[in-house]
Amino acid sequence: DTGVSQDPRHKITKRGQNVTFRCDPISEHNRLYWYRQTLGQGPEFLTYFQNEAQLEKSRLLSDRFSAERPKGSFSTLEIQRTEQGDSAMYLCASSWDTYNEQFFGPGTRLTVL
Amino acid sequence: TQLLEQSPQFLSIQEGENLTVYCNSSSVFSSLQWYRQEPGEGPVLLVTVVTGGEVKKLKRLTFQFGDARKDSSLHITAAQPGDTGLYLCAGGGYKLSFGAGTTVTVRA
Repeated sequence: DTGVSQDPRHKITKRGQNVTFRCDPISEHNRLYWYRQTLGQGPEFLTYFQNEAQLEKSRLLSDRFSAERPKGSFSTLEIQRTEQGDSAMYLCASSWDTYNEQFFGPGTRLTVL
Repeated sequence: TQLLEQSPQFLSIQEGENLTVYCNSSSVFSSLQWYRQEPGEGPVLLVTVVTGGEVKKLKRLTFQFGDARKDSSLHITAAQPGDTGLYLCAGGGYKLSFGAGTTVTVRA
């Protein structure tokens, strides 16, 4: 299967702990996006990479959040000192070009206790 | 941020019935995408509409983009239980803005 993959699919953590999620985009896609989705809402844009360069960050991405895409392939999203309000589905998407269609992975469901 | 409003929020119908969901905005979009999302999964792209007035058909699903490119609709004919899911519209280029979605339940 050559779709977008995310790992882990589920993460339960205690408040104050750090968590890291991984996203592997479709192999020929050089754009990668992170979104967050809370219950009853559509996904909200967090950040965007073109190859290894992080080009834009939403104001939703506080300084506890950091995303990387070191070799322009997979990406990681780290949340430090997690809070209960961070509980959400974290979605990764990729596209071939900036204005091309985005294809989403299955998401990582984060629960902060 | 360009806002997209979807209606209705919830829709429950019997198998074989037709349904329409709407996506509206006060902003003009160069394109709109429709996604379907199942619980615990990521959104799956159904279609992209680009031209004002465009109509696209995908089996029993018909998508329409408004002439002014501010609204779109999704019509499902003879709905089946497999059509159950959250239908999301999105637009805005690389920084997609999503509506809150319409939860569709098709009862057997």
